[in-house]
Amino acid sequence: NFMLTQPHSVSESPGKTVTISCTRSSGSIASNYVQWYQQRPGSAPTTVIYEDNQRPSGVPDRFSGSIDSSSNSASLTISGLKTEDEADYYCQSYDSSNLWVFGGGTKLTVL
Amino acid sequence: QVQLQESGPGLVKPSETLSLTCTVSGGSISSYYWSWIRQPAGKGLEWIGRIYTSGSTNYNPSLKSRVTMSVDTSKNQFSLKLSSVTAADTAVYYCAREISPGVPDVWGQGTTVTVSS
Repeated sequence: NFMLTQPHSVSESPGKTVTISCTRSSGSIASNYVQWYQQRPGSAPTTVIYEDNQRPSGVPDRFSGSIDSSSNSASLTISGLKTEDEADYYCQSYDSSNLWVFGGGTKLTVL
Repeated sequence: QVQLQESGPGLVKPSETLSLTCTVSGGSISSYYWSWIRQPAGKGLEWIGRIYTSGSTNYNPSLKSRVTMSVDTSKNQFSLKLSSVTAADTAVYYCAREISPGVPDVWGQGTTVTVSS
């Protein structure tokens, strides 16, 4: 099976743009959709991006997702950072048997 | 708007079976895939498995020998049983709906289960 690798932490200032990467260890990143979840302390994860680049209703368009086959990675970009965006972010995909695979999570600090 | 709510004992003794139920409100349980995910305190997310409303299942290979999932469409509920639990099974347990296999869209709020004597 494959692994999804995320940076342990990232930080950026309010109003700026941050990108969180999620690199697939084997197999093509384009083979299976990638989802992104936001998890604030003490709360359940919520979906901010599904199917690589789709935003659920209610998620601001400051959040966007993409995949890059050349680096075999997916990215979550948050523009116009707000302090409320400070959270853990997880990427997730699935294998050929539809078994989920999670990245290890990235702690975003907005300072 | 579909909402999911996990329920079950918050404390389970070692070697016993953990049993949780997820109740679906605001929509039908039919024709969707339903998953369980867990998260130990301070750690990442781990997928446990899924069930379709037909009763077909897929389990995480690392837990497969101890996991059983079931669905009750008449009650709009699905359930998780995890046998022979140890302290390593202490976690927040979440249920989620998948719009297609591997693509969840709605999560429950989670329920904390502690394994301790």
